[in-house]
Amino acid sequence: ETGVTQTPRHLVMGMTNKKSLKCEQHLGHNAMYWYKQSAKKPLELMFVYSLEERVENNSVPSRFSPECPNSSHLFLHLHTLQPEDSALYLCASSHAGTGSSPLHFGNGTRLTVT
Amino acid sequence: DAKTTQPPSMDCAEGRAANLPCNHSTISGNEYVYWYRQIHSQGPQYIIHGLKNNETNEMASLIITEDRKSSTLILPHATLRDTAVYYCIAGGITGNQFYFGTGTSLTVIP
Repeated sequence: ETGVTQTPRHLVMGMTNKKSLKCEQHLGHNAMYWYKQSAKKPLELMFVYSLEERVENNSVPSRFSPECPNSSHLFLHLHTLQPEDSALYLCASSHAGTGSSPLHFGNGTRLTVT
Repeated sequence: DAKTTQPPSMDCAEGRAANLPCNHSTISGNEYVYWYRQIHSQGPQYIIHGLKNNETNEMASLIITEDRKSSTLILPHATLRDTAVYYCIAGGITGNQFYFGTGTSLTVIP
């Protein structure tokens, strides 16, 4: 799947660092998502943007801050993370509001917090 | 969004058909059934989706019961590369209803 690109693929950061995850979609979609996948747990929906407006925020700690400057780009800004935040962070996009529209995922950023 | 129930694991012999069941008894009339799979450390890959009718594409077939309370994903000739976790999701109307469960871990055996 090359329609959704995430960078970096791997990230190691200390608890006092600030970093950002980037996602870009080339599918002409109008909704973008951040999911978190911890070891041996289901994917957890974190944030949803539709038409560049945040429409869902699933009780995510404020140390995670999303940004959607346009319909093709999505960022997840990270600061003062905890070791339990180590996980695979997945970005997805879809064409919301037009009946059925599957999510298309990137291959994720593997984050390790030390 | 409707909750789905899948068996935690299944095995399938290489070259045989893999039939993965999913129960979604609380699905509402306008919710679709979607199937994804995830190979270790990669993002979930979309496979197929449907509303009422059976669907087929180059990857798989989707059989939905008439009452829409369950469905089966069929991989007609399983290969070792089909070993993955398969997720069934009911929802996806407004774009924020894709909730993943624990899925079925399919192992294709040589």
